[in-house]
Amino acid sequence: DTAVSQTPKYLVTQMGNDKSIKCEQNLGHDTMYWYKQDSKKFLKIMFSYNNKELIINETVPNRFSPKSPDKAHLNLHINSLELGDSAVYFCASSQDSRGGWETQYFGPGTRLLVL
Amino acid sequence: KQEVTQIPAALSVPEGENLVLNCSFTDSAIYNLQWFRQDPGKGLTSLLLIQSSQREQTSGRLNASLDKSSGRSTLYIAASQPGDSATYLCAVTNGNQFYFGTGTSLTVIP
Repeated sequence: DTAVSQTPKYLVTQMGNDKSIKCEQNLGHDTMYWYKQDSKKFLKIMFSYNNKELIINETVPNRFSPKSPDKAHLNLHINSLELGDSAVYFCASSQDSRGGWETQYFGPGTRLLVL
Repeated sequence: KQEVTQIPAALSVPEGENLVLNCSFTDSAIYNLQWFRQDPGKGLTSLLLIQSSQREQTSGRLNASLDKSSGRSTLYIAASQPGDSATYLCAVTNGNQFYFGTGTSLTVIP
């Protein structure tokens, strides 16, 4: 009964390719997030969706585009991959974030390596 | 299972005061500890990260310390400002999972 799942777990690809990472949560939460963990292990938020609506869009390249077909899914599509995109990408969900801090449940991460 | 606790749950101070936020964790086998702030309706903003081999990190008016053996970390904020008002969270990771603390809601009164 995985609460927040991500696929794939590992992704190795060439520069210039387009790839997608999928995230699904079965917790019935309204809010989902994408975080990027860089080589120094800093965790930085990229996007947040509440009930399929984009509520946070931090400064990330336009090559990154989130898509939420329904509130249980938040996928991350990356165009024209670059070497600097190599990182671990975490998906998370919470019941609601608009009123303040809510416990976030993280997926296992997707390790992206761009060659 | 790792448990992360933050004390106090809420703190209100007048502008200009120095303050300390506390974070404790039960399992010392951590990879790193990170402090975040969250403003209402927004995601997490990373403030400082301390690797398990480090004792402290500094960024501007912020200083974070880590005592891994005792399972404690502190976040020191110097000369607090109203803009520091937010919820502060600490999180530890064993490299695979993140464990977030309960948060401290800080209000700095002008």
